[in-house]
Amino acid sequence: GAGVSQSPSNKVTEKGKDVELRCDPISGHTALYWYRQRLGQGLEFLIYFQGNSAPDKSGLPSDRFSAERTGESVSTLTIQRTQQEDSAVYLCASSLFQPGGYTFGSGTRLTVV
Amino acid sequence: DQQVKQNSPSLSVQEGRISILNCDYTNSMFDYFLWYKKYPAEGPTFLISISSIKDKNEDGRFTVFLNKSAKHLSLHIVPSQPGDSAVYFCAASWSGAGSYQLTFGKGTKLSVIP
Repeated sequence: GAGVSQSPSNKVTEKGKDVELRCDPISGHTALYWYRQRLGQGLEFLIYFQGNSAPDKSGLPSDRFSAERTGESVSTLTIQRTQQEDSAVYLCASSLFQPGGYTFGSGTRLTVV
Repeated sequence: DQQVKQNSPSLSVQEGRISILNCDYTNSMFDYFLWYKKYPAEGPTFLISISSIKDKNEDGRFTVFLNKSAKHLSLHIVPSQPGDSAVYFCAASWSGAGSYQLTFGKGTKLSVIP
């Protein structure tokens, strides 16, 4: 597709359940980022993938969070044993040139009840 | 520790007037700055950027000014249009970080009144 696609667009889950969020980057974009935005806050960096290099996981808030990306394609962000403070919009972005030039997806709004 | 600060959560401007959105940063290592615009239920879209070697960058109605000594940047929109109503995020990165991750401010909601 022409843009970054994220699914689902909305997810409501019970506390303690696991969730998986998906991101389809723009074809050919080598860099992929996950950010989250909690209510009233700015975007918070979570993880970065660049080609086949080891990902930069420095932004992941706890070991309940993990992400995978196969080559330069789809990425999944998994949150295990969700907590209410995980409620946020999770945004994926891909980029060909750095810095800047990110293209963001529309995000997944996660609500943990 | 908020490294990028947008101290005005909201701003209202009359159509046709100038909108000035401000941003301050604390990390002197930042060397690239960007502004993103976000409409409800959409992802942020890139608007304009500036490298630390410059003090001004212009693109149509949008101009970004950088004052490194004050660690301050601003986005000017002239003339403002109702379609500019959105949340504007200031972001900064450091090329030495390798990942070019962006550090974002909390955003300023701009309302342009017709």
